[in-house]
Amino acid sequence: EDQVTQSPEALRLQEGESSSLNCSYTVSGLRGLFWYRQDPGKGPEFLFTLYSAGEEKEKERLKATLTKKESFLHITAPKPEDSATYLCAGGPVRSTGFQKLVFGTGTRLLVSP
Amino acid sequence: DTAVSQTPKYLVTQMGNDKSIKCEQNLGHDTMYWYKQDSKKFLKIMFSYNNKELIINETVPNRFSPKSPDKAHLNLHINSLELGDSAVYFCASSQGLRDRAGYTFGSGTRLTVV
Repeated sequence: EDQVTQSPEALRLQEGESSSLNCSYTVSGLRGLFWYRQDPGKGPEFLFTLYSAGEEKEKERLKATLTKKESFLHITAPKPEDSATYLCAGGPVRSTGFQKLVFGTGTRLLVSP
Repeated sequence: DTAVSQTPKYLVTQMGNDKSIKCEQNLGHDTMYWYKQDSKKFLKIMFSYNNKELIINETVPNRFSPKSPDKAHLNLHINSLELGDSAVYFCASSQGLRDRAGYTFGSGTRLTVV
C-alpha cells in the first residue's frame, strides 16, 4: 500500500535554530516527491518537486533533498514566519497515466522569536 | 484573482441533509481533484477528473457524487450527511503528469455536521 510518513509530528524551534524535517515513502511507481506548506485555514501551497535521488531544491531558508527512500526539508536560520505545517506527498502513476498524490500527515513547525 | 476558488468556506448542517460544495479554477488546468482533510491534518484523495471525465474514484461512500460540467469546474454533492463527514474538503487542480509544479489548492471548505 502506498504510504508517506513524516517526522517529527511537531517541532518547536527558536528563531535562528536550524533543523530538518523527514519524509519517508513507499509509493509504487513514484514519479515525484512534493513538499507543500499549509498555513491555518488555508490550502496547501506548493514548495518543491524532487524527481531523482540526489536532487536538491532551494527556496529562501528552505532546502529539500531526496534519497531513494526519503526526503528531507532543511530549514536554515528559521524565522517566525516559517511557522506552518509542512506536508510531503508522493506522486505515483496509475494505469490511467495520471498522477495521484499520497500525502503524509505533516510536521507542525513553530518558530519562536 | 483567485486561481482555485471554493464556496462556501464554512458549512454547518444537520445530519441527514444534502449539501453541495462548488469549485472553479481559472488556471486552464486539465485535471481537478477533491481531497478530504481530517482532524489530524491527513489529506486523502476522493476523486479526480480530467477534462470532465472521472479518472480516480477512491473508496468513497456513494453518498458523495462529484460533477464536472466543464474542465474549469468540479462540484461535490453530498447526500444524507453523517457526523463522520465533518472535515475540511479541498479542491485542487493540475496539468496532470506534465505539471511539475504540483497541485494548486483552493482554500478549503470546512464542513461541520451536527
